[in-house]
Amino acid sequence: AQSVTQPDIHITVSEGASLELRCNYSYGATPYLFWYVQSPGQGLQLLLKYFSGDTLVQGIKGFEAEFKRSQSSFNLRKPSVHWSDAAEYFCAVGDSGGYNKLIFGAGTRLAVHP
Amino acid sequence: EAQVTQNPRYLITVTGKKLTVTCSQNMNHEYMSWYRQDPGLGLRQIYYSMNVEVTDKGDVPEGYKVSRKEKRNFPLILESPSPNQTSLYFCASSFLQGGYGYTFGSGTRLTVV
Repeated sequence: AQSVTQPDIHITVSEGASLELRCNYSYGATPYLFWYVQSPGQGLQLLLKYFSGDTLVQGIKGFEAEFKRSQSSFNLRKPSVHWSDAAEYFCAVGDSGGYNKLIFGAGTRLAVHP
Repeated sequence: EAQVTQNPRYLITVTGKKLTVTCSQNMNHEYMSWYRQDPGLGLRQIYYSMNVEVTDKGDVPEGYKVSRKEKRNFPLILESPSPNQTSLYFCASSFLQGGYGYTFGSGTRLTVV
C-alpha cells in the first residue's frame, strides 16, 4: 500500500537560513508526488508536483523539490526562508496507474525565527 | 475564479444533532473527496466520488455519509455527530485522471459538544 512519511513533526529555522523538509514514500511504481502548504487558518495550496522527467522540480514561492528514486524521497528545499513561510507542509503521493487519489503524510510544522 | 467552496467555515453543534457540510466546485472536476485533519495524523480520507452517483469509502468513513447527485456538489453528512468527530474538514476536487493534484476548499472547523 502507498504511504508517506514526514520524519520531522516540527522544524524551526532562522529567517534567511536554508530549509529542507524531508519526505519518504512507499510505492511500487513511479509515483506522482506533491507538496502542499497550509498557512494558519487556510486551506491547502499546491507548491509543486512531480510526474516524470527532470527530477528537480520548481514550484511557487521559491520552493523546489528533488525526486530521488533510489532513496524513495522527495525532499522540499528553499535556499532562504522568509517569515511568511511559517506554515504546515504536507507531502503527498498519488497513484500513477489510476485515478487521482492522494495519500498524505502527517505534515511538518515550520516555525521561522526573526 | 476556479475554486472549491465549503460551508460553513465554523460550526459548533451538540451530540446527535444531524448536520451537513456543503461542498461545491466550479471546475467540472469528476473527482471529489472529503478529508479530516487532526493534529499529528495529517489528512485522512473520509469518502470520495469519481463521478455523479459514484461514491466510495475512504480510510475513515465511520459516522459519515455523502451523496453526489450533481457533478459540482458533494455534501458531507453527519447523521448523529459525536465528540470524536470534532475536527477540521476539507473538501477537495480534481480531474479523474491521476497526476493533477487537488484543489482544496478553505476548510470547516467542526466542534461537537
